Amino acid sequence: GQNIDQPTEMTATEGAIVQINCTYQTSGFNGLFWYQQHAGEAPTFLSYNVLDGLEEKGRFSSFLSRSKGYSYLLLKELQMKDSASYLCAVRAHNTNAGKSTFGDGTTLTVKP
Amino acid sequence: DAGVIQSPRHEVTEMGQEVTLRCKPISGHNSLFWYRQTMMRGLELLIYFNNNVPIDDSGMPEDRFSAKMPNASFSTLKIQPSEPRDSAVYFCASSSNRGKNIQYFGAGTRLSVL
Repeated sequence: GQNIDQPTEMTATEGAIVQINCTYQTSGFNGLFWYQQHAGEAPTFLSYNVLDGLEEKGRFSSFLSRSKGYSYLLLKELQMKDSASYLCAVRAHNTNAGKSTFGDGTTLTVKP
Repeated sequence: DAGVIQSPRHEVTEMGQEVTLRCKPISGHNSLFWYRQTMMRGLELLIYFNNNVPIDDSGMPEDRFSAKMPNASFSTLKIQPSEPRDSAVYFCASSSNRGKNIQYFGAGTRLSVL
């Protein structure tokens, strides 16, 4: 099976940088996703990592270490609209059809 | 592209009634997923289909829940009979097996069973 851990809540200040961590245990690995979910809305795709290293996309970056079963999502120059839940999801190697297991999400609150 | 389309957006029903949720995946996607989300349990995968065939329904809570995908452009999730504990937001998502398998979510159906 798969086990995904991420902090439940985080708070940060507008303009600052925040790092949301995700650790996972999985039988095989075939990619890690980060999704953003605003309150009352559906999750939307943010980033994808399958190889070790950093993927940068504007203010958001995601890092992966497969040997450590660890990823983080880095949000720079925080804006109020970044207040949302951030979900880490892992796809195992033996999973066909793109099935991913989601963590419980980290609720980020950005304060002025 | 219109994205994943779910209907209805909101459903309020009484305990014991049948509820049918509908989903139209993104054209060309060959995988479809049904999720349930609550504050207590987070985002739970109920069932997923690949090329219209159910692959894993181990997340379906009990026999009251059933899902079908009669063709590549339509799927239903049915609850019969419904119970108050089924109240949740139900999401449908689709993905393509070509590439990263990014899942695209519909807007969800907010179900309240009284």
